[in-house]
Amino acid sequence: GDSVTQMEGPVTLSEEAFLTINCTYTATGYPSLFWYVQYPGEGLQLLLKATKADDKGSNKGFEATYRKETTSFHLEKGSVQVSDSAVYFCALIRTQGGSEKLVFGKGMKLTVNP
Amino acid sequence: SAVISQKPSRDICQRGTSLTIQCQVDSQVTMMFWYRQQPGQSLTLIATANQGSEATYESGFVIDKFPISRPNLTFSTLTVSNMSPEDSSIYLCSVAFWGRTYEQYFGPGTRLTVT
Repeated sequence: GDSVTQMEGPVTLSEEAFLTINCTYTATGYPSLFWYVQYPGEGLQLLLKATKADDKGSNKGFEATYRKETTSFHLEKGSVQVSDSAVYFCALIRTQGGSEKLVFGKGMKLTVNP
Repeated sequence: SAVISQKPSRDICQRGTSLTIQCQVDSQVTMMFWYRQQPGQSLTLIATANQGSEATYESGFVIDKFPISRPNLTFSTLTVSNMSPEDSSIYLCSVAFWGRTYEQYFGPGTRLTVT
């Protein structure tokens, strides 16, 4: 079935470092892809999305490009801040039985130190 | 957008007992979901509880073990019945507006430990 694989964490970076979180997927066809973020003490929230190949999603300085040829959707940020400390989840949407469902990766915890 | 609250935030329960988790939304939403996140694992969808219909359970989850109520458009409960240590997880509810399943708003979760 459809699945998402993320790089394992946790990861600790210094402020202003470059961030890449790898995400690859296995799916039938070309599903829409998403990054969700969970800040400490809060619920998951949608960070960005891409709905077709070569689309680039962006938000809050984060970017991810939908790469069909490598079935990847890596998340990047050029200069992380302490406030980016959170857990990041890659996800795809699957259509089954006429309804849509999100399929998540395991999540990766990022800590950014000043 | 929607703001979700869950109660309790955490609990420690004895095996064989049941726990009911409440999910409250600050606006009326059609679609509501319940997930489980076991230690070191991804979120797994338990069931979808849409307004006006019975909850739909995913493979591996049954109503007798995880009964769900959805009395109105702003509230739902998930009960974890006859608990065992394997039920120790974080349970999350989320909501989405019709046609935007990809954009779900999540509660902060309920951390359940079964001893």
